[in-house]
Amino acid sequence: SAVISQKPSRDICQRGTSLTIQCQVDSQVTMMFWYRQQPGQSLTLIATANQGSEATYESGFVIDKFPISRPNLTFSTLTVSNMSPEDSSIYLCSVLDRVISGANVLTFGAGSRLTVL
Amino acid sequence: AQSVTQLDSQVPVFEEAPVELRCNYSSSVSVYLFWYVQYPNQGLQLLLKYLSGSTLVESINGFEAEFNKSQTSFHLRKPSVHISDTAEYFCAVSLPSKFSGGYNKLIFGAGTRLAVHP
Repeated sequence: SAVISQKPSRDICQRGTSLTIQCQVDSQVTMMFWYRQQPGQSLTLIATANQGSEATYESGFVIDKFPISRPNLTFSTLTVSNMSPEDSSIYLCSVLDRVISGANVLTFGAGSRLTVL
Repeated sequence: AQSVTQLDSQVPVFEEAPVELRCNYSSSVSVYLFWYVQYPNQGLQLLLKYLSGSTLVESINGFEAEFNKSQTSFHLRKPSVHISDTAEYFCAVSLPSKFSGGYNKLIFGAGTRLAVHP
């Protein structure tokens, strides 16, 4: 399985600031994703990070709030902009690790726990 | 649209006792089913999956899950838990590509926190 490193692992941020989360994979992967896990809730897909082009965002998420970069096949960043307390969550990077019988198997990073004061 | 419900947010259990973590899903077409596990301070890892064939699937560490189409369930069980099984467990579904036209995202449940006590 791919090994994913996320930084920072946790941070405490002030309202109105922005924070960039980095995701580094130990091998080239075709697809990378960013998920959010709000307290007591399930994981929600924010966007698919596309190499060399704009990310594909899910309903309810916009580029101005969550700009994403993916300069190559092993690295991506997610920025949480103009943060408010409602953005306090765990943000997880994941990659498409392999396809088995048509099923997509994902590997996840350990997550970045953000607390916005 | 697909959805996943994990009926228990927390399950406390004593070591060596059996455990069942419940998962129900909703979908108008057949789906793939997964259980992921997240140990403290680690990323999610695939525990087991159901794609087709035998409705009972097993993991290497003693967990098993049974796909029940009539009840739209995919409950996770282990006959005897260890302290090291303490983790958060996520049930997830995705559509086969023939229904999604290509890659389709995973839909996760809210997770069940399994706490194993000595």
